[in-house]
Amino acid sequence: EVQLVESGGDLVQRGGSLRLSCAASGFTFSCCTINWVRQAPGQGLEWIAYIKSDSRTIAYADSVKGRFTISRDNAKNSVFLQMSSLRAEDTAVYYCMRDRGYVFFDPWGQGTLVTVSS
Amino acid sequence: QSALTQPASVSGSPGQSITISCTGTSSDVGYYNYVSWFQQHPGKAPKVMIYDVTVRPSGVSNRFSGSKSGDTASLTISGLQAEDEADYYCSSYTTSSTVVFGGGTKLTVL
Repeated sequence: EVQLVESGGDLVQRGGSLRLSCAASGFTFSCCTINWVRQAPGQGLEWIAYIKSDSRTIAYADSVKGRFTISRDNAKNSVFLQMSSLRAEDTAVYYCMRDRGYVFFDPWGQGTLVTVSS
Repeated sequence: QSALTQPASVSGSPGQSITISCTGTSSDVGYYNYVSWFQQHPGKAPKVMIYDVTVRPSGVSNRFSGSKSGDTASLTISGLQAEDEADYYCSSYTTSSTVVFGGGTKLTVL
């Protein structure tokens, strides 16, 4: 079964840092682009970043550029999202997902909650 | 990176058909045939229903269909069922090599 599991969500103070992990199983991880998408409480989906299979192609949303860093370890079937200078508006459930093409996001993980307190 | 525009809500009775629109620009929806639609039930992770504008993934009901005209993509659900009540989001790849989502549409089955 293809599966992605996020972890690392926590309560953190404004200005702090946090590292999220996304562990994949059930498919050839090294082939695939992985994305992060977040959803603030009661709000819609917001794309955050993606990293392609060779780690050379990376893109970020303007809202996190310069503060968040995406990386991957193909040997460990994992993708990471290092978040720094956290703001209250970064409070959200963070999802990772495999991209099977372009925006063919399937499957999604169950999400991990990040809460930034002021 | 402005969000794609979707209606906040739509509704329909069981058995009817509804259409949700998703309007972007010539830099996203209008440029690429990389538009996807996601269904999200409360407290659950989203699930892809349509990708590449018109393609249904394996396991998705054929009551769901997608189309595009110019800068606007659409999701049509026919034979509406109670289980279709959910939030729906469109998404597109952009000419900036990023991804943009719509604001989401709440579908109510009356």
